[in-house]
Amino acid sequence: AQSVTQLGSHVSVSEGALVLLRCNYSSSVPPYLFWYVQYPNQGLQLLLKYTSAATLVKGINGFEAEFKKSETSFHLTKPSAHMSDAAEYFCALSKAAGNKLTFGGGTRVLVKP
Amino acid sequence: DADVTQTPRNRITKTGKRIMLECSQTKGHDRMYWYRQDPGLGLQLIYYSFDVKDINKGEISDGYSVSRQAQAKFSLSLESAIPNQTALYFCATSDDRAGELFFGEGSRLTVL
Repeated sequence: AQSVTQLGSHVSVSEGALVLLRCNYSSSVPPYLFWYVQYPNQGLQLLLKYTSAATLVKGINGFEAEFKKSETSFHLTKPSAHMSDAAEYFCALSKAAGNKLTFGGGTRVLVKP
Repeated sequence: DADVTQTPRNRITKTGKRIMLECSQTKGHDRMYWYRQDPGLGLQLIYYSFDVKDINKGEISDGYSVSRQAQAKFSLSLESAIPNQTALYFCATSDDRAGELFFGEGSRLTVL
């Protein structure tokens, strides 16, 4: 069975500070990994995806994530937080392209001025 | 217009009522999904369909049923709604090339 664990249900960062959201996974096969963002009262929007190519993946809005097989991790970072980054972020995993996703519990990010 | 459209966006109903949530898509994808979102639990898969003749149960299918009326339409039904089915429901689509799922804007259901 596959699973996704996001460490920290809430993260508070100051504007301009580093954003680091942690995601660890368990999968019996090489995974496809995703980060989605959900702004208030909206659906989920893809930030970035890892599909077995480069291990450092760049996404939209200045976010990036690094796939580390040895640590079974796919942590999301952004060097400098902006007020507009306040949202909930979900890490997700699938076994194949376009297949069903297994989600982590989500991390809500608060950005302080 | 949105690529994945869900109706209704908000619904309040009473215990025991039958409810249908509808999803339509213009992306031309074969695969469609219904997820439920609860605070702290992320999204959990209810049902999914890889083509019109294919229906599969997800992690939490009890109390739900689905119908795939066409490639573009996938509806979720609650035959007899109960309060713990109060949640935000998302429809999503994909194909085997893109990798990711594309989500609708969600249907918020409250069961009193």
